[in-house]
Amino acid sequence: AQSVTQLGSHVSVSEGALVLLRCNYSSSVPPYLFWYVQYPNQGLQLLLKYTSAATLVKGINGFEAEFKKSETSFHLTKPSAHMSDAAEYFCAVYRGSTLGRLYFGRGTQLTVWP
Amino acid sequence: GAGVSQSPSNKVTEKGKDVELRCDPISGHTALYWYRQSLGQGLEFLIYFQGNSAPDKSGLPSDRFSAERTGGSVSTLTIQRTQQEDSAVYLCASSSSQETQYFGPGTRLLVL
Repeated sequence: AQSVTQLGSHVSVSEGALVLLRCNYSSSVPPYLFWYVQYPNQGLQLLLKYTSAATLVKGINGFEAEFKKSETSFHLTKPSAHMSDAAEYFCAVYRGSTLGRLYFGRGTQLTVWP
Repeated sequence: GAGVSQSPSNKVTEKGKDVELRCDPISGHTALYWYRQSLGQGLEFLIYFQGNSAPDKSGLPSDRFSAERTGGSVSTLTIQRTQQEDSAVYLCASSSSQETQYFGPGTRLLVL
């Protein structure tokens, strides 16, 4: 069963505009959720993580995400896009130590126009 | 501190040859993971090592793929008799707390 769904494989915004990248998770998973960013020809860099301490999570580079249990969502936002934010973004869920692995969404490619 | 390192960064090989990909995890991390990233397939889990426990090999796509982790540190992913569909970026990650994984830069494999 799909654990994570990212809506929109491509998102384009103008520099300075709001960035909203959507992620919905399976309601059966425990609340360990992550956003990773991947710049061209690089590995994945951790942006932020939710581990049930607070529903609004702040990450690096001005990004934040809000855990909404009622909507099973963990959308990533940034108030003002910068050209350097252009990258691919992955939402992921950790389902517990017995399974170990991360389950990733298919990714969202963010393009920022000048 | 030093992050996860992988070598080689790029590998070009001929169909049918064997390749070995190496991962050096962050010092002290007990968990190590291999993932594959290819066009159209997204990020696929391959294998997971946790301490001295038997690895979770459930993601390996065929018996041509194998991995080992020596001394609880360095890991090698081996692909035997490579096929063109093996072309992908192979990512390694390590973790101390299990839920937060830190990724290396990846090895880009091209099978001609």
